[in-house]
Amino acid sequence: NAGVTQTPKFRVLKTGQSMTLLCAQDMNHEYMYWYRQDPGMGLRLIHYSVGEGTTAKGEVPDGYNVSRLKKQNFLLGLESAAPSQTSVYFCASTGQANEKLFFGSGTQLSVL
Amino acid sequence: DAKTTQPTSMDCAEGRAANLPCNHSTISGNEYVYWYRQIHSQGPQYIIHGLKNNETNEMASLIITEDRKSSTLILPHATLRDTAVYYCIVRVATGATNKLIFGTGTLLAVQP
Repeated sequence: NAGVTQTPKFRVLKTGQSMTLLCAQDMNHEYMYWYRQDPGMGLRLIHYSVGEGTTAKGEVPDGYNVSRLKKQNFLLGLESAAPSQTSVYFCASTGQANEKLFFGSGTQLSVL
Repeated sequence: DAKTTQPTSMDCAEGRAANLPCNHSTISGNEYVYWYRQIHSQGPQYIIHGLKNNETNEMASLIITEDRKSSTLILPHATLRDTAVYYCIVRVATGATNKLIFGTGTLLAVQP
């Protein structure tokens, strides 16, 4: 099992560009999450999904969109990147409520 | 949402027990206490969780006070590889969700 895989690992964007971050899990998990982490800060929840075809807003959803068309994939989109979105993005998944989260290794995104 | 309070940083000598405190005075009766750690920009790693009783696994022990307003994570024999940011999190259960809201955590520095 690969666990939770995030692609890409690094990306540099110019202001106004768009991109999609992919999170894939091979553990048949129902719940998936996108977090961002700014330097010296804890993780903040952007969006999450409780199952295929569902998404919901977290703490800091503005400027991001998500889709969960397949159970194993959770996509995070930036339609018009801004420098404030420079951050490390982490994806996580879990099978049941109360279970531990499995995290990916992160995507370092810089918006110039 | 119940919030947690942790010291910003702590030191511990290698081979000694590391005791990391967490205050969660507004915790609800059905909320769990989770501990994760993050080693230098990697994805967070699950350590342990509990509801009322003390818990122990191969990584650590979790001691929860009887009134559940605080808890302590114990690493029995800290090593240099345990240097990380440790997050104490109260799980927010809203309907079918399993949102984990992270704070800023405690930076544990294990000294040789």
